Amino acid sequence: DGGITQSPKYLFRKEGQNVTLSCEQNLNHDAMYWYRQDPGQGLRLIYYSQIVNDFQKGDIAEGYSVSREKKESFPLTVTSAQKNPTAFYLCASSITPRSSTDTQYFGPGTRLTVL
Amino acid sequence: GESVGLHLPTLSVQEGDNSIINCAYSNSASDYFIWYKQESGKGPQFIIDIRSNMDKRQGQRVTVLLNKTVKHLSLQIAATQPGDSAVYFCAESPFYNQGGKLIFGQGTELSVKP
Repeated sequence: DGGITQSPKYLFRKEGQNVTLSCEQNLNHDAMYWYRQDPGQGLRLIYYSQIVNDFQKGDIAEGYSVSREKKESFPLTVTSAQKNPTAFYLCASSITPRSSTDTQYFGPGTRLTVL
Repeated sequence: GESVGLHLPTLSVQEGDNSIINCAYSNSASDYFIWYKQESGKGPQFIIDIRSNMDKRQGQRVTVLLNKTVKHLSLQIAATQPGDSAVYFCAESPFYNQGGKLIFGQGTELSVKP
């Protein structure tokens, strides 16, 4: 997993609750990303951050929030406003966001289930 | 619109055979492509990448071919092994992409029969 850790591996949430997914990297990468993956589908970008204290919405940001207070950490909060949060969540990082040819490396993922 | 897609959603091969997984892309501005392998319940693992100034790149048992004329990308796996069974994704990055965003295909599931 290239020095990217995600926790917890499995997470269960009751409807109406906010939950926070952790993502940490020790690769000294500037950029970090959050993706959502639904069964049998590809990855969809939720949020990304190019530098500390800065982040941008991806394609499906509604119902999610993030923070980037430290270079190595990029937590994702799934809020009660997210109507269908059950999915596999993947965090990734890359050395720099300023190049179009920069490889992204992924963490092991967190499977979130809403009960 | 922009899209990255795969010709076949599933591929079944015999152990020891060569596998070819295909990917079509529609954004002619893409200049960087990556193949990822994802095993069940795990995060995607980087396999190999290629830049648009190349037609072919080889790794250990894997080769990526890029045909910019028809916007086609393929991943060839030599002597396929049971451990190669996984979902394979292609991803593209346009040259103007300063945010590091990748566009992912839906994936192809490779099943290797012993």
